Amino acid sequence: GENVEQHPSTLSVQEGDSAVIKCTYSDSASNYFPWYKQELGKRPQLIIDIRSNVGEKKDQRIAVTLNKTAKHFSLHITETQPEDSAVYFCAASDTGNQFYFGTGTSLTVIP
Amino acid sequence: DAGVIQSPRHEVTEMGQEVTLRCKPISGHDYLFWYRQTMMRGLELLIYFNNNVPIDDSGMPEDRFSAKMPNASFSTLKIQPSEPRDSAVYFCASSFRQSSYEQYFGPGTRLTVT
Repeated sequence: GENVEQHPSTLSVQEGDSAVIKCTYSDSASNYFPWYKQELGKRPQLIIDIRSNVGEKKDQRIAVTLNKTAKHFSLHITETQPEDSAVYFCAASDTGNQFYFGTGTSLTVIP
Repeated sequence: DAGVIQSPRHEVTEMGQEVTLRCKPISGHDYLFWYRQTMMRGLELLIYFNNNVPIDDSGMPEDRFSAKMPNASFSTLKIQPSEPRDSAVYFCASSFRQSSYEQYFGPGTRLTVT
């Protein structure tokens, strides 16, 4: 089955700096890569996703890049704000049913 | 839309008791997923349904766990008998496949088994 690894497990940045979270996957059949944000005590919420026919996708301060050859994808958050502090999960899926989640990155944005 | 609704939000029970978690998916969604989240194992898919039919239950940890979806607007996850190691946050999620793969999560049920 699919194995998704996520790094780093914790990340602290100064407000206004950029944050990068990286994930690797093992199954070349995976073609959908969502990123979820989970605030403390809350539900995971989709913030951005990318399909394997696209190399990069942006949404305001958030971007995701995908390298299919190397089987890795990354989340980039620019101009970080305190409200970006949360746990971020990457996932990979080939059918849209079974999501294989990474272990999460706890991001702290220091004001 | 109110989003995915789960009840109860918190459940504390004693070992050996039966626990039933409930979920109401977003109206019109055709897929429903049950996840378990723990610090040790992260987010794990337990089972998912398509049009009320269980498709894959390979993530259900033991026979003590069972799930049903009697209609398009209601699903239950039952644990009988419950054990302390079942303590976790259980999320229900739903999706409408014709529009996207996005799964919408409910607020979760925090289960504590003492």
